Amino acid sequence: EAGVTQFPSHSVIEKGQTVTLRCDPISGHDNLYWYRRVMGKEIKFLLHFVKESKQDESGMPNNRFLAERTGGTYSTLKVQPAELEDSGVYFCASSQTGELFFGEGSRLTVL
Amino acid sequence: AQRVTQPEKLLSVFKGAPVELKCNYSYSGSPELFWYVQYSRQRLQLLLRHISRESIKGFTADLNKGETSFHLKKPFAQEEDSAMYYCALRGTGRRALTFGSGTRLQVQP
Repeated sequence: EAGVTQFPSHSVIEKGQTVTLRCDPISGHDNLYWYRRVMGKEIKFLLHFVKESKQDESGMPNNRFLAERTGGTYSTLKVQPAELEDSGVYFCASSQTGELFFGEGSRLTVL
Repeated sequence: AQRVTQPEKLLSVFKGAPVELKCNYSYSGSPELFWYVQYSRQRLQLLLRHISRESIKGFTADLNKGETSFHLKKPFAQEEDSAMYYCALRGTGRRALTFGSGTRLQVQP
């Protein structure tokens, strides 16, 4: 069975541009999470979906970040407009009960 | 608020030496604690959780509520243990995990 997949694996954009990251969770997993790791710092929670609903979005840094999960399947995380401090690795994870299963991450570089 | 602290960014040991990766947490309730590991060119994966009380790949971790710690230990390190290790906490009534900043373990031959 395929694990959590993320696309793109690496994106390089200029400040002010828009980027959309996509996450496909493991089939049947209701819970989907977005995390971000900025260089040298901890993996920080961004938000949590249960099916298509936002259960907890307390970690979203500001309104330049928009996450959606239409239909309760895949999710997108859009950054618009991107700033330099948005650079980092964005991880997606999914779970059904306890254990979180992670994707390989999408590395975002904002120049 | 909940917080996980991993004081060491890098821990370097020789093969066969004991390993202890430190993790301290701050949480007012009864947390669940986890260790996740990321090997080179692999995705982040669960290593062990405190409620299982199991040993995985020779690693163990005991939750010490008095010291609010969940240190990861292995008596004899192997080269294949070299990886990035993250301690994580899940609070009551919340499914999302709070991670520490990670410790890179380097096991030298």
